[in-house]
Amino acid sequence: GDSVTQMEGPVTLSEEAFLTINCTYTATGYPSLFWYVQYPGEGLQLLLKATKADDKGSNKGFEATYRKETTSFHLEKGSVQVSDSAVYFCALTGTASKLTFGTGTRLQVTL
Amino acid sequence: DGGITQSPKYLFRKEGQNVTLSCEQNLNHDAMYWYRQDPGQGLRLIYYSQIVNDFQKGDIAEGYSVSREKKESFPLTVTSAQKNPTAFYLCASSIGRLNTEAFFGQGTRLTVV
Repeated sequence: GDSVTQMEGPVTLSEEAFLTINCTYTATGYPSLFWYVQYPGEGLQLLLKATKADDKGSNKGFEATYRKETTSFHLEKGSVQVSDSAVYFCALTGTASKLTFGTGTRLQVTL
Repeated sequence: DGGITQSPKYLFRKEGQNVTLSCEQNLNHDAMYWYRQDPGQGLRLIYYSQIVNDFQKGDIAEGYSVSREKKESFPLTVTSAQKNPTAFYLCASSIGRLNTEAFFGQGTRLTVV
């Protein structure tokens, strides 16, 4: 079945540091890929998405590129802020049109 | 405002009691989902519904039940058969077609004592 693997957290960075959160997936066909963000005590919000190979999703300074050859969708941001502290989930929709999530990566950004 | 509403935000129940979590959406979405989130773990799919009066089990359906009598509503009942019901429950909806994202409610934190 479909699966998503994310790097373990927590990831602790100083403000203005470069962020990478790795995500790889296993799926049949041509899944769509997503990054969601969850702030404490809240639901998930869509951060960005990509629906086909080589697409780049971007939002709020975050970017991720759909790499079919490496089955990856790594999240990057050039300069993180304290307000970016949250849990980030990589996800995909496969042939069943339901979301499959990774385990989430907690990001802590300090001054 | 369009969105998904889960209620209540916090819920306490005694062991052995059934409890129903509410999820309503006014986005005109066909598909709705229930996920369970435990500390340090990802989201696990409990049930999903792609159309009114139809639903499918997800990965961890045992001890839960759902209904989808209206497009807008997808309530989840946590029964006494669920061995470890204390968790954060998230409801979501989507258009239901491939390549479309899901929209999430704010979640219900259920504590069973």
